[in-house]
Amino acid sequence: QVQLVQSGAEVKKPGSSVKVSCKPSGGTLSIYTISWVRQAPGHGLEWMGRLIPTLELANYAQKFQGRVTITADRSTSTDFMELSSLTSEDTAVYYCATESPATATFDNWGQGSLVTVSS
Amino acid sequence: QSALTQPASVSGSPGQSITISCTGTSSDVGSYNLVSWYQQHPGKVPKLLIYEVNKRPSGVSSHFSGSKSGNTASLTISGLQTEDEADYYCCSYAGSNTLFGGGTKLTVL
Repeated sequence: QVQLVQSGAEVKKPGSSVKVSCKPSGGTLSIYTISWVRQAPGHGLEWMGRLIPTLELANYAQKFQGRVTITADRSTSTDFMELSSLTSEDTAVYYCATESPATATFDNWGQGSLVTVSS
Repeated sequence: QSALTQPASVSGSPGQSITISCTGTSSDVGSYNLVSWYQQHPGKVPKLLIYEVNKRPSGVSSHFSGSKSGNTASLTISGLQTEDEADYYCCSYAGSNTLFGGGTKLTVL
């Protein structure tokens, strides 16, 4: 099993952007599809999108289309999720997770990155 | 696409069985046998309990089971234990999209 390590907590102003990173503690992410899931305080899980490395293709949930960008830096084996035009409703814990394409399951999760949007 | 529909809360006593439903549409739950369930304890990362409707990953207790009929999937927990008290989320593949349910809080009385 791969362990995913995410970047730390951030506080952002409304209207700004945030970029969260996700890196394996050992090995490479290049063979894994990485999905991003967020959870607002006291709320449920919400899938945001995925990056399929073999196709170099990103899928995004309709809700976040145009506002989220998921990328990867293969030289550092790090995946990134950038969310723009932040509002207070984007305050949440953001998780990266490896996704098994055959079963569509999220098998290994990062520890989560808290993003707080506040003026 | 809207989230999958789950009851907000369910409860049961130790030893009892409970079932959590997850209703989607013919475009997600009804079209794919790629329904999974996750358990999340407060402050913890979600844990995979069931995948492909009714399969359990290695290490997951057999008192968790899953099923599906039409556009509705279900998670059954038999012989409730106090440590089962947690939030439960269903999840369905939907083509290039993935949907979660709103979550169900299980209280073990």
